[in-house]
Amino acid sequence: GQQVMQIPQYQHVQEGEDFTTYCNSSTTLSNIQWYKQRPGGHPVFLIQLVKSGEVKKQKRLTFQFGEAKKNSSLHITATQTTDVGTYFCAGPPQGNEKLTFGTGTRLTIIP
Amino acid sequence: NAGVTQTPKFQVLKTGQSMTLQCAQDMNHEYMSWYRQDPGMGLRLIHYSVGAGITDQGEVPNGYNVSRSTTEDFPLRLLSAAPSQTSVYFCASRPGTGDTGELFFGEGSRLTVL
Repeated sequence: GQQVMQIPQYQHVQEGEDFTTYCNSSTTLSNIQWYKQRPGGHPVFLIQLVKSGEVKKQKRLTFQFGEAKKNSSLHITATQTTDVGTYFCAGPPQGNEKLTFGTGTRLTIIP
Repeated sequence: NAGVTQTPKFQVLKTGQSMTLQCAQDMNHEYMSWYRQDPGMGLRLIHYSVGAGITDQGEVPNGYNVSRSTTEDFPLRLLSAAPSQTSVYFCASRPGTGDTGELFFGEGSRLTVL
């Protein structure tokens, strides 16, 4: 079955440093979505990318979807304490309704 | 704005007991799903539904049953709980079917099976 892996599993950064998490799928995806889950909370949708090679920005967050539609990345510039949480990618195989989540990257910020 | 409502928030069961996790959404979403979250394993899809009367299996369906008699409700049933089902369960919905669209999550139900 489809597998979606994320690296790293954990990341500790000093406040103000940059952060990147990478997402890799074993199958070609129809689209890629990113979610953020604060400690003790539920996942909250951040963004969806659909096109091959697409890049989208939300303030300090930059999202990329790979040319082969099998990988993606999330980059945060100048992290803040509000960025703490676990970031998940998720994507359905092409033509499939099932949304498979990645293993997640847990970000902690050292003030 | 209620969104996706899950009950109960916490539950402790003994091995072999049965229970139902309730999920209701008031957004008229066609698609509803159940995930379980375990440390280091992300969210794994248990069952999903693309509309009333239609359900299908996800990655880890064994030990769980679902039904979708109305658009609003999508209960998850554990017929005979096992310690391996100790987890946090999330219900999620989205407006349409197909392979795209934001998922809206409930706040989760933490289940412990002794």
